[in-house]
Amino acid sequence: GENVEQHPSTLSVQEGDSAVIKCTYSDSASNYFPWYKQELGKRPQLIIDIRSNVGEKKDQRIAVTLNKTAKHFSLHITETQPEDSAVYFCAAASAGGTSYGKLTFGQGTILTVHP
Amino acid sequence: DAGVTQSPTHLIKTRGQQVTLRCSPKSGHDTVSWYQQALGQGPQFIFQYYEEEERQRGNFPDRFSGHQFPNYSSELNVNALLLGDSALYLCASSSHGRRAFFGQGTRLTVV
Repeated sequence: GENVEQHPSTLSVQEGDSAVIKCTYSDSASNYFPWYKQELGKRPQLIIDIRSNVGEKKDQRIAVTLNKTAKHFSLHITETQPEDSAVYFCAAASAGGTSYGKLTFGQGTILTVHP
Repeated sequence: DAGVTQSPTHLIKTRGQQVTLRCSPKSGHDTVSWYQQALGQGPQFIFQYYEEEERQRGNFPDRFSGHQFPNYSSELNVNALLLGDSALYLCASSSHGRRAFFGQGTRLTVV
C-alpha cells in the first residue's frame, strides 16, 4: 500500500521567515495530495491541495509543489506568522475517476513560529 | 451551513466494552470516512462509506465496523475495546469522495 514520509518532524522559524515541509510517497498511482493544519485540540483543517496534473499551486502565503517523477511534494509558507504555529500533515490518495479514496497521512511536522 | 459534526466529543470506556461514535457530514456531502489518530501521529484510515456501503477499508480488525444512513450520517462501532484503541477518532466528509473536511473528533479513552 501507499506509504508517506514527512520531514522534518519539527521546524522552528522566526516570524517573517519561510518554512518548507517535504513529503515523499511510494505509490505511483497516487494523484491527489492535500495538506492539513491541525492546531492543538482541534480538527485537521484543509489548507491547500494539488492534483497530479499540476506542478504547483499557490494560495496567498501558501504554496505546494509536486514532482511526480521523484514522488515528492512540498509545502511552502512564506512570511510566517505566530498563528501559523501548528502541526502540518501531508497526505496522498489515488482517485478512481473523480472520487478520492483513502488518505494516507505523513507523520506530521510541528511548526513553531517565534515572534 | 454546519460543518462536519461528531458526537460525543469525549468518551471513557472500560476494556471489553463496546462503543458507538456518530458523525453528521457537511451539508451536501455524501461520503464519510473514519480515521483513528493516536497521540503524536497522523490519522490512520479505518473505512469509507458511500451510498450506505463500505467502499474501502484500511488495516483495522473486524472489531471496527460502521454504518451509513440514508441521510448520509454515519456511525463507527468498536467491539471488545482494547487499551490500544484509545485515540482521537475523526470523521471526514466529502462530496463524491473529493476534498475531505474533518469533524472535531471524538476522544476515546479506554481504561
